[in-house]
Amino acid sequence: EPEVTQTPSHQVTQMGQEVILRCVPISNHLYFYWYRQILGQKVEFLVSFYNNEISEKSEIFDDQFSVERPDGSNFTLKIRSTKLEDSAMYFCASRDSRANEKLFFGSGTQLSVL
Amino acid sequence: QQPVQSPQAVILREGEDAVINCSSSKALYSVHWYRQKHGEAPVFLMILLKGGEQKGHEKISASFNEKKQQSSLYLTASQLSYSGTYFCGTAGGTSYGKLTFGQGTILTVHP
Repeated sequence: EPEVTQTPSHQVTQMGQEVILRCVPISNHLYFYWYRQILGQKVEFLVSFYNNEISEKSEIFDDQFSVERPDGSNFTLKIRSTKLEDSAMYFCASRDSRANEKLFFGSGTQLSVL
Repeated sequence: QQPVQSPQAVILREGEDAVINCSSSKALYSVHWYRQKHGEAPVFLMILLKGGEQKGHEKISASFNEKKQQSSLYLTASQLSYSGTYFCGTAGGTSYGKLTFGQGTILTVHP
């Protein structure tokens, strides 16, 4: 089965530093998402992206966050100035253009902010 | 508002059955079920849509009561591999991929 690929698998950073999390969605998918999961808690929606722009974003997705599709294959999440509470597992997901199709999740990037 | 799952945790022996419920206070367009093992990504199990259509796993069944805004996941003849945290995710309209997940149900299957 095709896979969503995320790099790095672990990222440790100092508070206030910028981080970029990278994702390669499945090649024929058109809709892209970032979710995050704080340890022991539920998975939370951050942002959806379609046609090179943000479709929807949650309250969590404030001005410190941005997403980009810099080329035809990568999808990135940038956190400009990390805070301790940004520590979480970040999942990228994608789906194809048909309605009501499943999300394919990547294996995640564990971000630790010190 | 996030859906509410029950129970919070279930412990089974291999071969036993379990039901996990998911309730929402909002009108639902679809319910998605995922299983997550520790340290791994959520894995898709099932989508249930208004009108009764289902897409998903052959060995897992689920129901969707639109009037009650509830979904139930039925795990029969459980196997050790069923252990994990089960999340329901709800979509309220045409935001198909924007899912609001419940808090999860931890399922543990013992030999």
